[in-house]
Amino acid sequence: AQKITQTQPGMFVQEKEAVTLDCTYDTSDPSYGLFWYKQPSSGEMIFLIYQGSYDQQNATEGRYSLNFQKARKSANLVISASQLGDSAMYFCAMVWWYGGSQGNLIFGKGTKLSVKP
Amino acid sequence: DGGITQSPKYLFRKEGQNVTLSCEQNLNHDAMYWYRQDPGQGLRLIYYSQIVNDFQKGDIAEGYSVSREKKESFPLTVTSAQKNPTAFYLCASSIGRGPWSSYNSPLHFGNGTRLTVT
Repeated sequence: AQKITQTQPGMFVQEKEAVTLDCTYDTSDPSYGLFWYKQPSSGEMIFLIYQGSYDQQNATEGRYSLNFQKARKSANLVISASQLGDSAMYFCAMVWWYGGSQGNLIFGKGTKLSVKP
Repeated sequence: DGGITQSPKYLFRKEGQNVTLSCEQNLNHDAMYWYRQDPGQGLRLIYYSQIVNDFQKGDIAEGYSVSREKKESFPLTVTSAQKNPTAFYLCASSIGRGPWSSYNSPLHFGNGTRLTVT
């Protein structure tokens, strides 16, 4: 069965420093995609970055990059130059493709990031 | 601007009453979804609809019902059969039939409705 694990319930980072949020996943399907979402205290979910299982290079979007280690089944989010506005919950999610069918998007339990001034 | 509108933001109901949460999108997306979020938890899928007049149960559909009479609208009814209805409910949509329609197409979310049942 597919599973997403985020082992860090909460993290602190100093403003302007980089931070890595961990995400490991478990699937036996070769075709899958990994997403990261940000959820501020207001509640909306904001899409940050996507990595496909066949993508050769790690995804990057501005200050966000995804450290994709396929053999270790990890897809860690790296935020460079943290800003106060980065304080939020961060969710890792996965979708998979098997035999012509597609699974639903499943989410990890999230990591609460707090940026200190 | 296109987006997803959920209303109301906060909703209070007495136990035993059915309540309907609204979700409207003007993104011209085919697929729509309802997720539930409990404190300290990730999102869990309640129902999803890939096309008008069709919808499928997600992982935790018991005690919930939906309809999809229009492409733009996907209301969720929390029935009295739902044993623990107090939660944060998020509606989402995606371009095609499934959040993976172009494989990397992300879900677009509304701002959520926080339901409290006492």
